Amino acid sequence: AQSVTQLDSHVSVSEGTPVLLRCNYSSSYSPSLFWYVQHPNKGLQLLLKYTSAATLVKGINGFEAEFKKSETSFHLTKPSAHMSDAAEYFCVVSDRSTLTFGKGTMLLVSP
Amino acid sequence: NAGVTQTPKFQVLKTGQSMTLQCAQDMNHEYMSWYRQDPGMGLRLIHYSVGAGITDQGEVPNGYNVSRSTTEDFPLRLLSAAPSQTSVYFCASNPGRTDTQYFGPGTRLTVL
Repeated sequence: AQSVTQLDSHVSVSEGTPVLLRCNYSSSYSPSLFWYVQHPNKGLQLLLKYTSAATLVKGINGFEAEFKKSETSFHLTKPSAHMSDAAEYFCVVSDRSTLTFGKGTMLLVSP
Repeated sequence: NAGVTQTPKFQVLKTGQSMTLQCAQDMNHEYMSWYRQDPGMGLRLIHYSVGAGITDQGEVPNGYNVSRSTTEDFPLRLLSAAPSQTSVYFCASNPGRTDTQYFGPGTRLTVL
């Protein structure tokens, strides 16, 4: 069985400050891990994915995530938040045919 | 390529009515999935398919049926709609087991 825990339901940052969205996972297999973003009333867009290559994964829009097997974590970071980053972010684990989604973290960006 | 398409975008049903949510993809992906999204719950897997003729249940399959007669299409049937099925439904496809899933735009369903 696999599971994902997003440790914060909401994260608030000021524009220009760093972003950290935390994700822990459990999996019986070597997992693939993803971060998706969903802007209000929109579908889901892939930010980045990890599939057992480099542990530091770079994604779109300046986001990156680091896979830490010892900590079973896959936290999402960005050095400097932009207003357009305000959205809901989902950490996702896949170890066989299906994906398991975390409950989501809402990122709020204030001017 | 149109990617993953879903119809309708919005639907209102009365309790007990049945309907089919359509999903199609033109990327020749083997894997297709249906999710529902509810506030604070993330996306939960309803049913999935690993190829034409093969389907399996996900986390929340009750009240829903699927079939996969072609690679392109993966319709989701609500047999007798209930208010608890009010949700946003997303269809997704991916070419392989660990590959990125591509999501459709979603169908917002309200059951009165």
